[in-house]
Amino acid sequence: EVQILETGGGLVKPGGSLRLSCATSGFNFNDYFMNWVRQAPGKGLEWVAQIRNKNYNYATYYAESLEGRVTISRDDSKSSVYLQVSSLRAEDTAIYYCTRSAYGSYFDYWGQGVMVTVSS
Amino acid sequence: DIQMTQSPASLSASLGETVTIECRASEDIYNGLAWYQQKPGKSPQLLIYNANSLHTGVPSRFSGSGSGTQYSLKINSLQSEDVASYFCQQYYDYPTFGGGTKLELK
Repeated sequence: EVQILETGGGLVKPGGSLRLSCATSGFNFNDYFMNWVRQAPGKGLEWVAQIRNKNYNYATYYAESLEGRVTISRDDSKSSVYLQVSSLRAEDTAIYYCTRSAYGSYFDYWGQGVMVTVSS
Repeated sequence: DIQMTQSPASLSASLGETVTIECRASEDIYNGLAWYQQKPGKSPQLLIYNANSLHTGVPSRFSGSGSGTQYSLKINSLQSEDVASYFCQQYYDYPTFGGGTKLELK
């Protein structure tokens, strides 16, 4: 069974930084791309970042709205992916989901999400 | 970015009814389209990919169709467990989502 579990959310002051972690199991992590997708309270979905697998040289891609403030990384030995977000703003308040994607970049499995609140 | 316009924003339907949700892309996305279902308080779940392929375990009353810039999700014989929000997403370019459709029971 595919399992995806995000951790690391919480309350952060504007301008602060946060590192989200995503642990996975139940599939061959090395074969898949991994993503972060976020959802502001009561709002729609926004793709944040993608990291491809070794076959694609761990290439990374970012949403233009966040580029320069986010870094996605992965550790294949731990079947885990990470998202570092800096210079946090109130509008970054959202549930952050870790998702798996096959080469088509649709998201076939999602974690339960982790809440990030940016407030003073 | 490719813009995805989803309609309607909300929908009320009766049990057993057939429901259709539309999604329009700002340019041709060559069937690079997925549909997700999100129940209150839960994470989204994949229903359809490649515009018309049913994801594993998804009931056959869900179907997707379309091409070019116009796509739709159809739910046949609406069940109570289908009450949810539905989102389309294109992946021909960097992924972008439609604004969502909230489906309620009449």
